[in-house]
Amino acid sequence: QSALTQPASVSGSPGQSITISCTGSSSNVGSYNLVSWYQQYPGKAPKLMIHEVSKRPSGVSNRFSGSKSGNTASLTISGLQAEDEADYYCCSYGGFRRVFGGGTRLTVL
Amino acid sequence: EVQLLESGGGLVQPGGSLRLSCAASGFTYSSHAMSWVRQAPGKGLEWVSAISGSADSTQYADSVKGRFNISRDNSRDTLFLQMNSLRAEDTAIYYCAREWGYSYSFDYWGQGILVTVSS
Repeated sequence: QSALTQPASVSGSPGQSITISCTGSSSNVGSYNLVSWYQQYPGKAPKLMIHEVSKRPSGVSNRFSGSKSGNTASLTISGLQAEDEADYYCCSYGGFRRVFGGGTRLTVL
Repeated sequence: EVQLLESGGGLVQPGGSLRLSCAASGFTYSSHAMSWVRQAPGKGLEWVSAISGSADSTQYADSVKGRFNISRDNSRDTLFLQMNSLRAEDTAIYYCAREWGYSYSFDYWGQGILVTVSS
């Protein structure tokens, strides 16, 4: 079982906003502002979209935003576009380890 | 341009060993911690191991502790993963990834290398 829990799938129509949750524990998400999010297309390496809960690397669209409350982090994608259809993974530092979520498949309807 | 290139994957029998390498270029290699992350076929990402820039600290997932060993050669800008006592459940694409500063996030990834453990 994954240390961080994500919904298996979410969907939305173009132009809408969606939020993907990532629930951990006081050992990881709840204790560190070190949550990151990754986008992965089939057969490709993951791409960093958010680091340190809410910071966007250079070149990542401002349609992507991150937040955290307690043991749950969230990734919000606004103004959904067809190109956003991919798998999304959260990751948290957990004290001498990093832990990933199980991944969420985003479908753009 | 930052580049990470994995090599050394392939087919190995259960109980066997394999050594992965990851050649880095385009950045000051010794200034960054590095990690290995794997992805079993059709499954999610799993962090495997990390090593500090100076190689004085290493960390492992419970699933590989005692079987895998991470190391690095900063004179050759290369990361290694020695995998022993391999099991079928170690079958995966293995990615090397650069850690970004103290954020414990992975800002650059290799293309991945397939390791298949099967008789």
